[in-house]
Amino acid sequence: DTGVSQNPRHKITKRGQNVTFRCDPISEHNRLYWYRQTLGQGPEFLTYFQNEAQLEKSRLLSDRFSAERPKGSFSTLEIQRTEQGDSAMYLCASSLNSGDTDTQYFGPGTRLTVL
Amino acid sequence: DQQVKQNSPSLSVQEGRISILNCDYTNSMFDYFLWYKKYPAEGPTFLISISSIKDKNEDGRFTVFLNKSAKHLSLHIVPSQPGDSAVYFCAASDWSNFGNEKLTFGTGTRLTIIP
Repeated sequence: DTGVSQNPRHKITKRGQNVTFRCDPISEHNRLYWYRQTLGQGPEFLTYFQNEAQLEKSRLLSDRFSAERPKGSFSTLEIQRTEQGDSAMYLCASSLNSGDTDTQYFGPGTRLTVL
Repeated sequence: DQQVKQNSPSLSVQEGRISILNCDYTNSMFDYFLWYKKYPAEGPTFLISISSIKDKNEDGRFTVFLNKSAKHLSLHIVPSQPGDSAVYFCAASDWSNFGNEKLTFGTGTRLTIIP
C-alpha cells in the first residue's frame, strides 16, 4: 500500500491526558498537511510542512498542539492536556509540490475521543 | 465565516441518472477548486479539480463546471452508480498566491444513489 497511512486509527483518552498521532505520507511527497474534521463539517486546515519545515499554522492550532516532521518523512501531531472539544477526526494529507500541480492525498484519519 | 458553502446536505438520485452537486464560494481570491469523495471510516479521496482559467474539466463520468462571475461550481456525475454513494466535499485554494498549501472545504453533500 503506497497511500498515506495514519496511526492509530482510533484513540480514546481521558481529559487532561496527552496524545500523539503519527502520519506516514506517500514516499517522495515533500508536503505534509494536518486537518481536523468535526461532525457535520468539512476538514479544517491545521498546519503544513514542506520537507521538515513547518511553514504555516492555523489559529485553530492552540499552544497545546504541536506538530513535527523531523526528517522530512513521517510527521507526528501531539495534543497536550486534551479537552473534550479536541474530539474530532484528525486527517493527514501529503502532496508533491512540483510547481504545476499540488493535489493533496488524504490518509484514513485518526478518530480522537476525549472523555 | 464559511467561505465555501455546500447548501444541500443530502441528495438522492436514481441509478443511471445525472447527479449534480453544487458549491458556492465567497472569497474572490480562490482560483483553484477540487472535489473530494469520502466514504465512512476513510479519508477524502481526490476526484477532480479545475483552475479558474477554465470553465469546465472532464474526467470520465465526472465533470466540474466553474462559473467565476457567480462564484459557483458544480460536479456532474453521469451516469450515477451505486458506488458513487458517499459524502462529496468541495474545496478551494488561492493557488496563484499560495499554491495548494491550505484547502478550504465546504461542509459536504451526502449523495445516495438509489438502485
